[in-house]
Amino acid sequence: DTEVTQTPKHLVMGMTNKKSLKCEQHMGHRAMYWYKQKAKKPPELMFVYSYEKLSINESVPSRFSPECPNSSLLNLHLHALQPEDSALYLCASSQGAVNQPQHFGDGTRLSIL
Amino acid sequence: KQEVTQIPAALSVPEGENLVLNCSFTDSAIYNLQWFRQDPGKGLTSLLLIQSSQREQTSGRLNASLDKSSGRSTLYIAASQPGDSATYLCAVENYGGATNKLIFGTGTLLAVQP
Repeated sequence: DTEVTQTPKHLVMGMTNKKSLKCEQHMGHRAMYWYKQKAKKPPELMFVYSYEKLSINESVPSRFSPECPNSSLLNLHLHALQPEDSALYLCASSQGAVNQPQHFGDGTRLSIL
Repeated sequence: KQEVTQIPAALSVPEGENLVLNCSFTDSAIYNLQWFRQDPGKGLTSLLLIQSSQREQTSGRLNASLDKSSGRSTLYIAASQPGDSATYLCAVENYGGATNKLIFGTGTLLAVQP
């Protein structure tokens, strides 16, 4: 069991749908991350939130919209995705945004039809 | 731009063998290096974190070393078990502006045969 919980575990959506991925941690961590991982590839950083403020956006297309409503929650809103966006989306958290181990959730497997 | 490479890409060993996984990085200005394991369809589990000022870290049967000046790290697994089968990823933490970020290596797929 992981201490970072991601829902849903699997999501299938059409290119015109709007959906959201959710991530929750109750470890008191103040930094949270979204990663995208394609099959047989390493995770690639998408966004970093530090103290509920967006601090890194790795030039991610606007069809991905992150939101950090409070220090325990991180959402990723999806709209008008493309088939190439199909991937495992991983959330992570750490105590701070510098020099701290990151704790990962089990991810959401996203398939775009 | 930081590049992280892992060798070998895949490794198959019989149970009980000691083994070494390698990680190399191009920019030595790192804060730390972390080793993770990933089981199929799962997230990443943190194994060891070595600060840039440290040379090695140990946890149980795992020992990780870091030579920052040469841009290399190794993960040593003693007395391997079938439960060690997974993909092992190293990652370096680099300065990212407002916040640091992890750059992951290409991974080593390990299979331990019973």
